[in-house]
Amino acid sequence: GAGVSQSPSNKVTEKGKDVELRCDPISGHTALYWYRQSLGQGLEFLIYFQGNSAPDKSGLPSDRFSAERTGGSVSTLTIQRTQQEDSAVYLCASSLDRGVEKLFFGSGTQLSVL
Amino acid sequence: GIQVEQSPPDLILQEGANSTLRCNFSDSVNNLQWFHQNPWGQLINLFYIPSGTKQNGRLSATTVATERYSLLYISSSQTTDSGVYFCAVGRRNAGNMLTFGGGTRLMVKP
Repeated sequence: GAGVSQSPSNKVTEKGKDVELRCDPISGHTALYWYRQSLGQGLEFLIYFQGNSAPDKSGLPSDRFSAERTGGSVSTLTIQRTQQEDSAVYLCASSLDRGVEKLFFGSGTQLSVL
Repeated sequence: GIQVEQSPPDLILQEGANSTLRCNFSDSVNNLQWFHQNPWGQLINLFYIPSGTKQNGRLSATTVATERYSLLYISSSQTTDSGVYFCAVGRRNAGNMLTFGGGTRLMVKP
């Protein structure tokens, strides 16, 4: 597509529920990243996919967080048993290659856990 | 991991003024990018600049990799320049993920 597409743009859920956030990267981009931005804060790295390599999961805050990337394109970030501290904007980004190209961000998913 | 510090944290300018934003990082990097987050939250990539100087219209950036800092210059600022400016750095042997600084929040007044 023309840009990185994320859905939904907003998600309100109850504490304890599971949520899935979707990211569709720019066509042809092999690298895909998930970041989290809490209100008024910087960006916190969550996970990185590059082609068919094993993902770098070093930023995932707990085992309630997981992500997959199917067919080297679309990615889904899943948060199980959501907690109020999970409330944040979840941002997806893609780049043409392994960390040596410009990163392009989607508009994010605003997650609110009540 | 790499530490990234940006200064100043907040900046208020009158329209037409010039400004310099700074990014210091704690280790050698081979990837450095500047982003602008507009008031609606969208992050726009301004520069990919691991070293040297680049210019794009009223914006320019310089990275001195050996001294571990980068500067973003905004000339003749406009109200549309308002938002948060982030510097992000990365290293090939550190997983390639970009580490972001805390940002500089800029407000340009008409």
